[in-house]
Amino acid sequence: AQKVTQAQTEISVVEKEDVTLDCVYETRDTTYYLFWYKQPPSGELVFLIRRNSFDEQNEISGRYSWNFQKSTSSFNFTITASQVVDSAVYFCALRGGSQGNLIFGKGTKLSVKP
Amino acid sequence: NAGVTQTPKFQVLKTGQSMTLQCAQDMNHEYMSWYRQDPGMGLRLIHYSVGAGITDQGEVPNGYNVSRSTTEDFPLRLLSAAPSQTSVYFCASTPGTSGLYEQYFGPGTRLTVT
Repeated sequence: AQKVTQAQTEISVVEKEDVTLDCVYETRDTTYYLFWYKQPPSGELVFLIRRNSFDEQNEISGRYSWNFQKSTSSFNFTITASQVVDSAVYFCALRGGSQGNLIFGKGTKLSVKP
Repeated sequence: NAGVTQTPKFQVLKTGQSMTLQCAQDMNHEYMSWYRQDPGMGLRLIHYSVGAGITDQGEVPNGYNVSRSTTEDFPLRLLSAAPSQTSVYFCASTPGTSGLYEQYFGPGTRLTVT
């Protein structure tokens, strides 16, 4: 069975703090893909990143960075110097190698206060 | 290129009423799916289609019907609405089953059943 766990339901930080959102996954597939999506208060789903199971390199995009560790089945997301505009619900998701659908975690609601 | 469109954006139904949520994409994607989002539950798969004429059930299919007569359209039918179907519904499309492909999400339909 495939499963994604985001243990942090809600996180509240003050602007400029760094924050890490945790994601742990379970899968028996050897080929799989991991995703992060952002859902701002307006409600749409915004794609942030995709990572395949063969690429464990960490990725940095501006203030965002992702740490993928197969040994611990984790794909954590860090926002450096958080801003109020980062306030949103963040979803981690998993997709098997031959599947078209995503398995989502329950999401982490991030509130960044000025 | 409009991407994935959904109508209506908001809908209120009475228990027992039926309705169809519309979803269309203009990217010639083979794979389309419907998810529902409930507070604290993430997104869960209702039904999906791997191409015109082919549909299958996801995690939470009860109370919903789908059909796929064209590549572009993938409507979701609520047969007899129940309060438990109050949710936000997202339609998504992707070119195929490979995880290399990004999933494109529509803006969502917020449904309330009273």
